[in-house]
Amino acid sequence: AQTVTQSQPEMSVQEAETVTLSCTYDTSESDYYLFWYKQPPSRQMILVIRQEAYKQQNATENRFSVNFQKAAKSFSLKISDSQLGDAAMYFCSLEYGNKLVFGAGTILRVKS
Amino acid sequence: DAGVIQSPRHEVTEMGQEVTLRCKPISGHDYLFWYRQTMMRGLELLIYFNNNVPIDDSGMPEDRFSAKMPNASFSTLKIQPSEPRDSAVYFCASSPDSPTNYGYTFGSGTRLTVV
Repeated sequence: AQTVTQSQPEMSVQEAETVTLSCTYDTSESDYYLFWYKQPPSRQMILVIRQEAYKQQNATENRFSVNFQKAAKSFSLKISDSQLGDAAMYFCSLEYGNKLVFGAGTILRVKS
Repeated sequence: DAGVIQSPRHEVTEMGQEVTLRCKPISGHDYLFWYRQTMMRGLELLIYFNNNVPIDDSGMPEDRFSAKMPNASFSTLKIQPSEPRDSAVYFCASSPDSPTNYGYTFGSGTRLTVV
């Protein structure tokens, strides 16, 4: 079975600082995709970043980057220069068979 | 493109009533997904369609739930009869081809409250 675990229910970061959100997963597949989604209070789910498992290079999108450790089945999200607009629930997700399974989410609070 | 459009945004209904949630995917997207989000269970996939055909409905909780996609631009999720435990946010999402290449584009969700 495919599972995704986010062990941090809530995190806080000072504006302009860096924060890392953790995610581990389990899958029997050798080729798969991982995603981070952001859900602000508006409730809209927004794709932040994606990683292909067969690529060793970590994905980066502006201030967002991942640390993908395939052997450890770890997929953390780093947010640099945090902004107030980054405050949201963040979901880690694993793709298998055209479906996404999501972790429980991490609430990120940004302090000014 | 206006994105994935869901209606209504909020729905309050009485137990036992029929509820219909609606979704218009992004034009040209071949995949459509229905998810349910609750505090207890998080985001759960209910059903997904490919080219209007239901592919996997193993997440549909029981026979009270049904979903249809009569054409490429419209899908419905129906609950009949509704129960208080159905209260949740229901999301529709679509993807152009394999979701692995693009992830999903989600709608804004419908918050359903069954009293």
